Amino acid sequence: GNSVTQMEGPVTLSEEAFLTINCTYTATGYPSLFWYVQYPGEGLQLLLKATKADDKGSNKGFEATYRKETTSFHLEKGSVQVSDSAVYFCALGGGFKTIFGAGTRLFVKA
Amino acid sequence: EAQVTQNPRYLITVTGKKLTVTCSQNMNHEYMSWYRQDPGLGLRQIYYSMNVEVTDKGDVPEGYKVSRKEKRNFPLILESPSPNQTSLYFCASSFRELRNTEAFFGQGTRLTVV
Repeated sequence: GNSVTQMEGPVTLSEEAFLTINCTYTATGYPSLFWYVQYPGEGLQLLLKATKADDKGSNKGFEATYRKETTSFHLEKGSVQVSDSAVYFCALGGGFKTIFGAGTRLFVKA
Repeated sequence: EAQVTQNPRYLITVTGKKLTVTCSQNMNHEYMSWYRQDPGLGLRQIYYSMNVEVTDKGDVPEGYKVSRKEKRNFPLILESPSPNQTSLYFCASSFRELRNTEAFFGQGTRLTVV
């Protein structure tokens, strides 16, 4: 069945450091891929998405590229801020069929 | 404002005492889901609904019930809560189309069963 594997956290970075959170997936067909972010005390919200191979999703300085050949959708940001501290979820599918990874907690220190 | 509203946000209850967590969305979404979030396990789907009066089990439905009498509401019912149902619960909704469709989440309900 479909599944998502993302790197375990927590990830701790200093402000302005480069961020990568790895995500790989197993799926039949060509699902859409998503990154959701959960800020403390809140629900998940969509950060970015990509719907086909080689698509790049981007938002708020974050980006991720749908790599079919490596079945990956790694999240990157060039310079993190304290306000980026949150839990990040990689997901595939869409709608009520969305499958989520376990989440990666990011701490950014000033 | 488009939103998914859950109530209550926090709940402490005792084993066996029936409870209901409400969920309401104002976006006219067909699909609604309930998830629980546990450390190291990510989000696991409990139940989902494709439309009014249409519900189905997700990955972890044991001990839960749902109903969908109106399009906007999708309550989660725990008939006899047990401590292993202590968790953070999220309601989500989305449009019918599966592909490309983001899910909109409520703010969560933190449930403790003692």
